[in-house]
Amino acid sequence: SQTIHQWPATLVQPVGSPLSLECTVEGTSNPNLYWYRQAAGRGLQLLFYSVGIGQISSEVPQNLSASRPQDRQFILSSKKLLLSDSGFYLCAWSERQGLGSPLHFGNGTRLTVT
Amino acid sequence: ILNVEQSPQSLHVQEGDSTNFTCSFPSSNFYALHWYRWETAKSPEALFVMTLNGDEKKKGRISATLNTKEGYSYLYIKGSQPEDSATYLCASFLAGSARQLTFGSGTQLTVLP
Repeated sequence: SQTIHQWPATLVQPVGSPLSLECTVEGTSNPNLYWYRQAAGRGLQLLFYSVGIGQISSEVPQNLSASRPQDRQFILSSKKLLLSDSGFYLCAWSERQGLGSPLHFGNGTRLTVT
Repeated sequence: ILNVEQSPQSLHVQEGDSTNFTCSFPSSNFYALHWYRWETAKSPEALFVMTLNGDEKKKGRISATLNTKEGYSYLYIKGSQPEDSATYLCASFLAGSARQLTFGSGTQLTVLP
């Protein structure tokens, strides 16, 4: 069966510090991968998605970046965090074949920028 | 409608009551409509993915309908139980963004024992 691992679960970082959140998927090949964020009191916002190694699409301009160095690994990074980066970050994957495939989410990372 | 919208924002019902909530989405260039349940301290879990107008799906006491021509979907819970307490999210693809699944803000359901 497929599993998705996301870490860390919680993170407190000072403004201006770097960020690296990691997500790995097991039990499937060539998945679509996604990073979502939920800011306080708001819905899930798509940040990045990837359809293959090295292929990253950004949906929202920001100081975050994403990379996909391996087929089932997705990394969310920042060189310098802002206060507005605080929120709940979710990694997700879906099957490649179609828009009718559901998303499967990781357990999320609660990021607090101080 | 230009975005994915859900109503009500929150809902309290008594155990045993049946309830429903609404998801509205752009009807043009429709691809699919997703429903997810997000329980506290857990990750969102897919309930349904619906693609055809008139589609009706059911999982236990939970069911959903889809009207792609008018751009809405209803989620129904029959005989609500405390374990149904969660935030229910719907998501759809906005026109011109076939890969961007856009989520509504969710309906937070609390079932009182």
